[in-house]
Amino acid sequence: DSGVTQTPKHLITATGQRVTLRCSPRSGDLSVYWYQQSLDQGLQFLIQYYNGEERAKGNILERFSAQQFPDLHSELNLSSLELGDSALYFCASSVESNNYNEQFFGPGTRLTVL
Amino acid sequence: AQSVTQPDIHITVSEGASLELRCNYSYGATPYLFWYVQSPGQGLQLLLKYFSGDTLVQGIKGFEAEFKRSQSSFNLRKPSVHWSDAAEYFCAAVDTGRRALTFGSGTRLQVQP
Repeated sequence: DSGVTQTPKHLITATGQRVTLRCSPRSGDLSVYWYQQSLDQGLQFLIQYYNGEERAKGNILERFSAQQFPDLHSELNLSSLELGDSALYFCASSVESNNYNEQFFGPGTRLTVL
Repeated sequence: AQSVTQPDIHITVSEGASLELRCNYSYGATPYLFWYVQSPGQGLQLLLKYFSGDTLVQGIKGFEAEFKRSQSSFNLRKPSVHWSDAAEYFCAAVDTGRRALTFGSGTRLQVQP
């Protein structure tokens, strides 16, 4: 158990819909990362938040957005869903300092878009 | 563009046999390097990491990896594979000074009894 929790574990929805994925980082971790794992794109970085502020952006679609709240949990919002958005979405957290710190991954949320 | 390549999509080994999973990276400077394992239905677990120094790094579960600058490689090895090692293995890298990981496409390991 990494200490990172993600809800829900599974999500099934229809095209055009909007969903919210939630992540709670390990206690004391200020940074949250979102990654997407899909069959065609593999594992790719979407976005990073640090202490409530966006820190880095990867291959995140404009239909997707994220935020990190004062209690440090984060939400990834996916809208106007398409079949190709079906994937496993991981959240990871780290302490964050001047040096690189290990990212601890949650179990993921499996999104199925029908 | 920066990239991580895992040439083997799928590898099958017999239990007790040795294992080597290949990883090559393409970065301007040597990045930090990692190996993660993903078991079915699980998240990613860090096996080992290389930042600098000794080019042979030891990790958890009996795994080790060797960094070879001349070959831009960071191959994962295990002398004797156990059935519980069946999983998907990802090599990853991050530029020094950055944070987000770039992953390879993964190698699925199957272990035969």
